[in-house]
Amino acid sequence: IQLTQSPSSLSASVGDRVTITCRASQDISSYLTWYQQKPGKAPQLLIYGASTLQSGVPSRFSGSGSGTDFTLTISSLQPEDFATYYCQQFNSYPRTFGQGTKVEIK
Amino acid sequence: EVQLVESGGGLVQPGGSLRLSCAASGFTFSSYWMSWVRQAPGKRLEWVANIYHDGSVGVYGDSVKGRFTISRDNAKNLLHLQMNSLSAEDTAVYYCSREKETRGWRDASDIWGPGTMVTVSS
Repeated sequence: IQLTQSPSSLSASVGDRVTITCRASQDISSYLTWYQQKPGKAPQLLIYGASTLQSGVPSRFSGSGSGTDFTLTISSLQPEDFATYYCQQFNSYPRTFGQGTKVEIK
Repeated sequence: EVQLVESGGGLVQPGGSLRLSCAASGFTFSSYWMSWVRQAPGKRLEWVANIYHDGSVGVYGDSVKGRFTISRDNAKNLLHLQMNSLSAEDTAVYYCSREKETRGWRDASDIWGPGTMVTVSS
């Protein structure tokens, strides 16, 4: 299963609403996970099951979608949110990742 | 504190072997599937392999199948990745992670180690 994220990068300002999409090459139900990765650090889990917020993750992050089309939304971008975001599917093997979306400061 | 710490990375020549380890603490290691994920410099994350609670089942990505072996020692809370026939394409940071379950279905890697760098070069 191929995962395609868009855009590959974006520039945004603090306070902006940001939306990242992840499209699967076939139906993966709701087995879609989102991670945040900062330079030189391990990924951190944000959302699993397409829309369930991991404990401790700020509520400005939200996820939606099912089937083949998914969205990660940051409602009001904060300075600590500038990072690369990856989607991953847990529907089947191999557990593929999207190519990442880098969120940069405008 | 729930923690994973990888070790064993380094510089290895093409065709060589390396064994990575991941030490787990702060949780019941034997109750979780565990996985390895890697990231080549400037590239996306790539799932490598995972292993069942008791070590009886291991699943591998196509790029490492037949060359890498995942294993675990539940008595010592250790996860391993034996890597053979290494090539430059295996150069990456290798992360171990814990897979969580929701209602019996694994749906995310919720704990990650800081990673260990493997460089394959002559």
